[in-house]
Amino acid sequence: AQSVTQLGSHVSVSEGALVLLRCNYSSSVPPYLFWYVQYPNQGLQLLLKYTSAATLVKGINGFEAEFKKSETSFHLTKPSAHMSDAAEYFCAVIQETSGSRLTFGEGTQLTVNP
Amino acid sequence: GAGVSQTPSNKVTEKGKYVELRCDPISGHTALYWYRQSLGQGPEFLIYFQGTGAADDSGLPNDRFFAVRPEGSVSTLKIQRTERGDSAVYLCASSPRTGTTDTQYFGPGTRLTVL
Repeated sequence: AQSVTQLGSHVSVSEGALVLLRCNYSSSVPPYLFWYVQYPNQGLQLLLKYTSAATLVKGINGFEAEFKKSETSFHLTKPSAHMSDAAEYFCAVIQETSGSRLTFGEGTQLTVNP
Repeated sequence: GAGVSQTPSNKVTEKGKYVELRCDPISGHTALYWYRQSLGQGPEFLIYFQGTGAADDSGLPNDRFFAVRPEGSVSTLKIQRTERGDSAVYLCASSPRTGTTDTQYFGPGTRLTVL
């Protein structure tokens, strides 16, 4: 069964600093990978997704993620944090053999300090 | 255009009662998903529909949970004999198809509290 691990349930950065949110997956076959963001009292919003094309994926709001098969990782980065980036971030996978259900990690709460 | 909507936004009920949660997907989306998010955790899959039929209901925790989508649009998640452990945010998502790379668009959720 596939699973997703997000290292660090809470990450705190200063405004303007690099954001790095970690995600590792366990799967014998590379899955499709997603990052979603959840703002308070709002629904999940897709940031970006990896679908077996380019390994470096660019998303909305200046975020990007790199798929590294050798490390089974799909870490999310942003060069310069903004106050509005404060939210909860979820990594998720879909395994083609398991239909189209998303399996989510437990989430990382990002705090951006002024 | 309009996104996924869910009603009610909040539902408080007593243990043992029956509840219905409604999801209105994006118009034209044939796939509809239900997830449950407990406090401090990521969403967990419950069921998804392709059209009117449940394509995968393996995430439903037990037979107290049931979902329908009779006309291939609006879906209702039904929970019988609610228990305190059912308290969570219930999320609905829709996508144009059930392709594995199709983006799932999420609604704001229904927060269910069982007293």
